[in-house]
Amino acid sequence: QQQVKQSPQSLIVQKGGISIINCAYENTAFDYFPWYQQFPGKGPALLIAIRPDVSEKKEGRFTISFNKSAKQFSLHIMDSQPGDSATYFCAASDDRGSTLGRLYFGRGTQLTVWP
Amino acid sequence: DAGVTQSPTHLIKTRGQQVTLRCSPKSGHDTVSWYQQALGQGPQFIFQYYEEEERQRGNFPDRFSGHQFPNYSSELNVNALLLGDSALYLCASSLGQGASGNEKLFFGSGTQLSVL
Repeated sequence: QQQVKQSPQSLIVQKGGISIINCAYENTAFDYFPWYQQFPGKGPALLIAIRPDVSEKKEGRFTISFNKSAKQFSLHIMDSQPGDSATYFCAASDDRGSTLGRLYFGRGTQLTVWP
Repeated sequence: DAGVTQSPTHLIKTRGQQVTLRCSPKSGHDTVSWYQQALGQGPQFIFQYYEEEERQRGNFPDRFSGHQFPNYSSELNVNALLLGDSALYLCASSLGQGASGNEKLFFGSGTQLSVL
């Protein structure tokens, strides 16, 4: 059973546009929600992350919006650039307490930004 | 400062063989996690090592085993390889246990395993 559901599977955006990727989860024990960016031949790299005590977090052109009651969170990429073309993964974890939590990943979104 | 390094980068094996993948964590990190990423999918957690012990394990059969050495490096062993084991195997390292550990999780570039 997929713990984190991600959509869309692929996304094509024009340069300068806004890219939006959505994720949903069921496990209310999750308390850490990161987004990872992966280029071909590379491992995932942490882009931005949020904890459920805030509803939004912004870092540069990247924003996470978090809706705890709906158990949904999304990534917004403003002013999308061709260099943003990559696969994006949302993830979730329960890392409270003394044990470092495992990450549950979504299936990924292939983003293509046209120049 | 070297990040997470994995070896080899690519590997080709045949069904039934055994394989060992290696990982050196980022300097200063003491926890190593292994993930399997099938083509077109998100990474799936295999297991995690801390203080040379397996701390957590995902839904993978006993054919998948690991080890962590005193210098924090780690190995992933897979026995009796199946075609379905073909995937990118990712190692991730972090510092210690606790609530902030995931915020410092770094992935290596992975080992691409092909089983023929």
